[in-house]
Amino acid sequence: DAGVTQSPTHLIKTRGQQVTLRCSPKSGHDTVSWYQQALGQGPQFIFQYYEEEERQRGNFPDRFSGHQFPNYSSELNVNALLLGDSALYLCASSPGYNEQFFGPGTRLTVL
Amino acid sequence: AQSVTQLGSHVSVSEGALVLLRCNYSSSVPPYLFWYVQYPNQGLQLLLKYTSAATLVKGINGFEAEFKKSETSFHLTKPSAHMSDAAEYFCAVSGAGGTSYGKLTFGQGTILTVHP
Repeated sequence: DAGVTQSPTHLIKTRGQQVTLRCSPKSGHDTVSWYQQALGQGPQFIFQYYEEEERQRGNFPDRFSGHQFPNYSSELNVNALLLGDSALYLCASSPGYNEQFFGPGTRLTVL
Repeated sequence: AQSVTQLGSHVSVSEGALVLLRCNYSSSVPPYLFWYVQYPNQGLQLLLKYTSAATLVKGINGFEAEFKKSETSFHLTKPSAHMSDAAEYFCAVSGAGGTSYGKLTFGQGTILTVHP
């Protein structure tokens, strides 16, 4: 049984660009959450998707948006990238509100 | 609102010694509490969780944690450290209900170093 997978592993962008990160949840999981982990910090909740809708959102600007597909996979989009968006982006899946299983993350570097 | 404070950003122990990583939380609703471990360049792995059942929770790799409501604490312990325990550990809280249900709030992390 594959766990949570994320792509790409690493990504380098320049300021002002847009980026899309992808996540495939663990089999049987219908809820996907996204977190941003800056260097030396704990992960911060961005938002959570369930039934293709954003169910909860953390304190992130509208430049951060997402989508969930009918197969429960999800995308995180970030527009107008800033240097401060450089971080490890973690996707977590869960069966409803239960414990979250994390993927390996996507390392985004903004130059 | 919820928050987590991990006391000590770095903890160093000798192999075979007791591991104690401290976590205090603040929550306006009954909390669910978690400990995750993160190895370099990897995602987070769940060690254990408290979800309002037994206050002493046993997890993987010999770790355990005790929920103490009066002290708002959820400290992580392991009787005997192994070299393979060297990693970063995160305490997290979510609400057992309300708008914080399912949303994890993490502490800043504690880096555990194990010396031979």
